[in-house]
Amino acid sequence: DVKVTQSSRYLVKRTGEKVFLECVQDMDHENMFWYRQDPGLGLRLIYFSYDVKMKEKGDIPEGYSVSREKKERFSLILESASTNQTSMYLCASSWGAEGNQPQHFGDGTRLSIL
Amino acid sequence: AQSVTQLGSHVSVSEGALVLLRCNYSSSVPPYLFWYVQYPNQGLQLLLKYTSAATLVKGINGFEAEFKKSETSFHLTKPSAHMSDAAEYFCAVSETGANNLFFGTGTRLTVIP
Repeated sequence: DVKVTQSSRYLVKRTGEKVFLECVQDMDHENMFWYRQDPGLGLRLIYFSYDVKMKEKGDIPEGYSVSREKKERFSLILESASTNQTSMYLCASSWGAEGNQPQHFGDGTRLSIL
Repeated sequence: AQSVTQLGSHVSVSEGALVLLRCNYSSSVPPYLFWYVQYPNQGLQLLLKYTSAATLVKGINGFEAEFKKSETSFHLTKPSAHMSDAAEYFCAVSETGANNLFFGTGTRLTVIP
């Protein structure tokens, strides 16, 4: 089975801090994604990556950046955390370029910014 | 542009009753469609997917969904609800050549004993 591991289940940070969320997948997937999930809004795509050192903006990239130095690892960075970034963050991975392959999700990181 | 509409943010059914969760999509080309389930404090788990083979797709845990192009729908059903089905369900769509998924806002299913 595909395993997508997010480094923290729960995280509490302060306003203005630089926050790193880490995600590792073990299936050699080319594609990796970061979403945030908020009640009533579903999942919204922040950033995604189709290859090492490659990144593309999703629907809500403002206030975030990403890093993909190795194929298996995709990091989400909150440059200067703000309270409106309190949310559940989900990482996912998939393979292929046709769109017909499902994404596999980690268990999520619930991030609180105080 | 792609979009997904899930009618009903909350659905309640009695244990043993039919489960019907609605999903309509908007896509300019033939889509790929997915249903995911999310249990509390967990990530999303794939229930089933439609990728232009049979229009009736069977998934895990007794769920199935039917792709109806004329209605642009992909509703999720299960003949008999179980208490363990209580969760949030998400419909998602992608297009050929595009790896991004577009998600609906989710439907929370409650099963009443």
